[in-house]
Amino acid sequence: EVQLVESGGGLVKPGSSLKLSCVASGFTFSSYGMHWIRQAPKKGLEWIALIYYDSSNKYYADSVKGRFTISRDNSKNTLYLEMNSLRSEDTAMYYCAKSGTSPFAYWGQGTLVTVSS
Amino acid sequence: DIQMTQSPSFLSASVGDRVTINCKASQNINKYLNWYQQKLGEAPKRLIYNTNNLQTGIPSRFSGSGSGTDYTLTISSLQPEDFATYFCLQHNSFPLTFGSGTKLEIK
Repeated sequence: EVQLVESGGGLVKPGSSLKLSCVASGFTFSSYGMHWIRQAPKKGLEWIALIYYDSSNKYYADSVKGRFTISRDNSKNTLYLEMNSLRSEDTAMYYCAKSGTSPFAYWGQGTLVTVSS
Repeated sequence: DIQMTQSPSFLSASVGDRVTINCKASQNINKYLNWYQQKLGEAPKRLIYNTNNLQTGIPSRFSGSGSGTDYTLTISSLQPEDFATYFCLQHNSFPLTFGSGTKLEIK
């Protein structure tokens, strides 16, 4: 069974940094691209980043480009999202999701990031 | 960026009704369109991928159709567990973009 478990969220002040993790199990993590998606409170979904299975390519939404970095450690079956210069508009539930022939078949339960002074 | 215009935003229907939800892309997305269901406090669940492929384990009352810029999710006979919010996603090109959602409520 595919499982994705996010962690690392919390309450932080504007301008600060935070690193999210997503531990994967139930599939060959090193063979699949992985995404981060977020959902602001009572809002829609926003794709924010993709990393290829071998970290050879990374893509970002304009809203986070230059501030967020996606990475992975295939030896630990773990996906990361390093978030710098956080803003109030980054407040959201952050989900990791598995890629494949078609994206987002599997999602984690999410980790909540709140940016507030 | 490809904009996804989803309609309606709200839909009130009864158990047993047939409902349709639409997504219109700002350009051709070559059938790279998925549908997701989200219930309160839960992660989204994929229902349909690549326009008309039913995700394993999803009931056959859900179906998808479309091409080019226009896509539709149909629920043939609403069940109580179907009352939720539905989103479309285009994955034809980056950035991947979602529709704004349709909240399906009980009439």
